[in-house]
Amino acid sequence: DGGITQSPKYLFRKEGQNVTLSCEQNLNHDAMYWYRQDPGQGLRLIYYSQIVNDFQKGDIAEGYSVSREKKESFPLTVTSAQKNPTAFYLCASRWDIENTEAFFGQGTRLTVV
Amino acid sequence: GQNIDQPTEMTATEGAIVQINCTYQTSGFNGLFWYQQHAGEAPTFLSYNVLDGLEEKGRFSSFLSRSKGYSYLLLKELQMKDSASYLCAVLDGGATNKLIFGTGTLLAVQP
Repeated sequence: DGGITQSPKYLFRKEGQNVTLSCEQNLNHDAMYWYRQDPGQGLRLIYYSQIVNDFQKGDIAEGYSVSREKKESFPLTVTSAQKNPTAFYLCASRWDIENTEAFFGQGTRLTVV
Repeated sequence: GQNIDQPTEMTATEGAIVQINCTYQTSGFNGLFWYQQHAGEAPTFLSYNVLDGLEEKGRFSSFLSRSKGYSYLLLKELQMKDSASYLCAVLDGGATNKLIFGTGTLLAVQP
């Protein structure tokens, strides 16, 4: 079945450690996105990529890094520089043309202790 | 700059109609999406508008006015399962095609 997969669903890390969240899609989508969601809030854009080996910063990129070495994969690293990393992280992908919606993974809930 | 605004919370009664508004200011525009999100789950796609007017899809309709930077989602015959957050998102367009989400509206449907 085609879809977008995030792993793991729950992740616990100690403060000061880097952690990488996985996002894989087999929909052959061009564009991929990472969002952060805090309780009771909307989605805030961290990074996005329209094509392999290229990505752009979103509105809250500080303390995060990404790579896009393959079309189907867009991992997000939460670094120790991110001041408040505990949040729900959502990955999405879509065809990079006008009238196509984004499909979301099931999310990773990261808790830093 | 960019800004997408929605009411934070709304309450409605089962069987009634509710309208959720979204206003936006973005540097470009390539369409507006509405998503539904239940607590702790991924958002799911509801509708898309790029031209002015009303798009109807079953119990859900979405309206767009590009000149006013305004959209609304209309939910008819409300059911308890419609209790969720509703997210408005704009495809910013131009060379980068950012997909930007609003703050979301938490809808509570009461019996």
